[in-house]
Amino acid sequence: DAGVIQSPRHEVTEMGQEVTLRCKPISGHNSLFWYRQTMMRGLELLIYFNNNVPIDDSGMPEDRFSAKMPNASFSTLKIQPSEPRDSAVYFCASSLLGRSGGQFFGPGTRLTVL
Amino acid sequence: SQELEQSPQSLIVQEGKNLTINCTSSKTLYGLYWYKQKYGEGLIFLMMLQKGGEEKSHEKITAKLDEKKQQSSLHITASQPSHAGIYLCGADMNGNEKLTFGTGTRLTIIP
Repeated sequence: DAGVIQSPRHEVTEMGQEVTLRCKPISGHNSLFWYRQTMMRGLELLIYFNNNVPIDDSGMPEDRFSAKMPNASFSTLKIQPSEPRDSAVYFCASSLLGRSGGQFFGPGTRLTVL
Repeated sequence: SQELEQSPQSLIVQEGKNLTINCTSSKTLYGLYWYKQKYGEGLIFLMMLQKGGEEKSHEKITAKLDEKKQQSSLHITASQPSHAGIYLCGADMNGNEKLTFGTGTRLTIIP
């Protein structure tokens, strides 16, 4: 079975540009999580969805960040406009709520904003 | 997060030796998750603990959750080079699958 799929794996962009990160969760999972990982702050939860509905977006840094989940098999995280301090590895994870199987992470997208 | 402390930050162990990594919460946990991460890759789920006193094992890795459900340990027996990586604990503090992660323990295995 395919795991969580993220694209692109690497993204280099210039400050001010729009960045869109994509995630396909594991089929059948009903919860989806977006995380950001940096050396300074570690792994932080940005937002999570349950049954395609955003449940908690308190970790989203500011209005420049937005996330959508139009259906059960696809989610996007958008940064507009991007800034150098947004440089990090962004992970998507999915799980089956109520089942003690843990969250399964994708390979991540390494974002560099110049 | 100050709510979750992981120690040590780094560990260098000779191949074949045992080691332990700790994760301590300031709150009673609904669940405690252990993950392993290799550089440039995503997190690999290892184990989840929910009940006080629970212990789980997978191959040479054993994880325990104390009776109070505030502290967990990850123990590796007879370490191998394949165990090298960063180990992270993730804590469910609210019963809603929203995880708070520790800062990680970087494990190096030397021959």
